[in-house]
Amino acid sequence: EIVLTQSPGALSLSPGERATLSCRASQSDVSTYLAWYQQKLGQAPRLLIYGVSSRATDIPDRFSGSGSGTDFTLTISRLEPEDFAVYYCQQYGSSPWTFGQGTKVEIK
Amino acid sequence: QVQLVESGGGSVKPGGSLRLSCAASGFTFSDYYMSWIRQAPGKGLEWVSYISSSGNTIYYADSVKGRFTVSRDNARNSLFLQMNGLRAEDTAVYYCARAVRWLQPLDYWGQGTLVTVS
Repeated sequence: EIVLTQSPGALSLSPGERATLSCRASQSDVSTYLAWYQQKLGQAPRLLIYGVSSRATDIPDRFSGSGSGTDFTLTISRLEPEDFAVYYCQQYGSSPWTFGQGTKVEIK
Repeated sequence: QVQLVESGGGSVKPGGSLRLSCAASGFTFSDYYMSWIRQAPGKGLEWVSYISSSGNTIYYADSVKGRFTVSRDNARNSLFLQMNGLRAEDTAVYYCARAVRWLQPLDYWGQGTLVTVS
């Protein structure tokens, strides 16, 4: 099983600042099968990024994904008020699919 | 528009059973792979099960293998999760979600249904 470790656990930032979230895989088998999801309180997760760096439909370009091997990053270039949420990475390349434990981006 | 609506959640005693349903609309259900994912209260996401578009390929997380059974009815645009031998640790919101095919992410999720085992 591929274990995904996200850091930091929480990030306190102000609107307009840049957010950098990390996701580290326990094996390099993830290849390009790495996605990021956003979840707001009381809502279902929403797909943001797939294939490491491709934005999902209607996702604004302030969200970007990067990385390779075992280290992956989600960057939010300028935080908008609606971006404060929990973010999860997920690998979907090998069963069992696994998620990271999440990073909470909160308002400073 | 794409809609996934889960139902069937509720409160059950340990050892009991529940059957969850997920009604799909707004897309060709039979073309898509489907998954169940759960989230315990205040916790992160845990993948539970996956079924191919035809229903011929199925995977389960080790934590539910032998107790949960996923199935689908493409004629009724519906996905199911039969949960037997429920345990306290199965308490969670259960989401259904779709993927275009194998090795693709979960691009739409339902709003979830709460299962409480107590």
